[in-house]
Amino acid sequence: QITLRESGPTLVKPTQTLTLTCTFSGFSLSTSGMGVGWIRQPPGKALEWLALIYWNDDKRYSSSLKSRLTITKDTSKNRVVLTMTNMDPVDTATYYCAHRGGAASGNYYFDYWGQGTLVTVSS
Amino acid sequence: DIQMTQSPSSLSASVGDRVTITCRASQSISTWLNWYQQKPGQAPKVLIYAASSLQSGVPLRFSGSGSGTDFTLTITSLQPEDFVSYYCQQSYTTPYTFGQGTKLEIK
Repeated sequence: QITLRESGPTLVKPTQTLTLTCTFSGFSLSTSGMGVGWIRQPPGKALEWLALIYWNDDKRYSSSLKSRLTITKDTSKNRVVLTMTNMDPVDTATYYCAHRGGAASGNYYFDYWGQGTLVTVSS
Repeated sequence: DIQMTQSPSSLSASVGDRVTITCRASQSISTWLNWYQQKPGQAPKVLIYAASSLQSGVPLRFSGSGSGTDFTLTITSLQPEDFVSYYCQQSYTTPYTFGQGTKLEIK
């Protein structure tokens, strides 16, 4: 059974760096085809794709946020970490991590999600 | 980046109705299109992947179609639990962009 859980601060100040950790179980990020992504959702707004890291350490980022984002993995601890620099109140959102499924068929989608963590940016 | 445009942004319907939500990509994405359902306070859940493949456990009243740039999600015989939000997402190329969402409301 695949599970994911996000953890990190619930409140950050403007200009600070946000560090979120996704701890997962039920799969290994060292297995070919695996991927873990981050998605966020401001209150009452749409989902926004942020970043994705693959089993081979390939990393992909949102074009608009690329300069502020870093995604890394610790395969031995089953963790993926997302850092976002220079936080602003507009970055207030629920941040989700998710397992990228469909590798076997080549149809990629997020099939398992964490429950999300609300991060508020305020002084 | 590929832009995904969903319509309508909100939709009123009644229990038992059939509804269709549309998603248009800014360039051809073949059938690399997924649909998610999101209930208030919950993470999204995948309903349809590869444009028309029903995720395991999803009721048969949900169906998807389309290819290229134009896609639809159809829900037949709406149930009370279906009045939530829906999002399309392309997985043709990163960034895997989402549509702006459709909120389905009870008439």
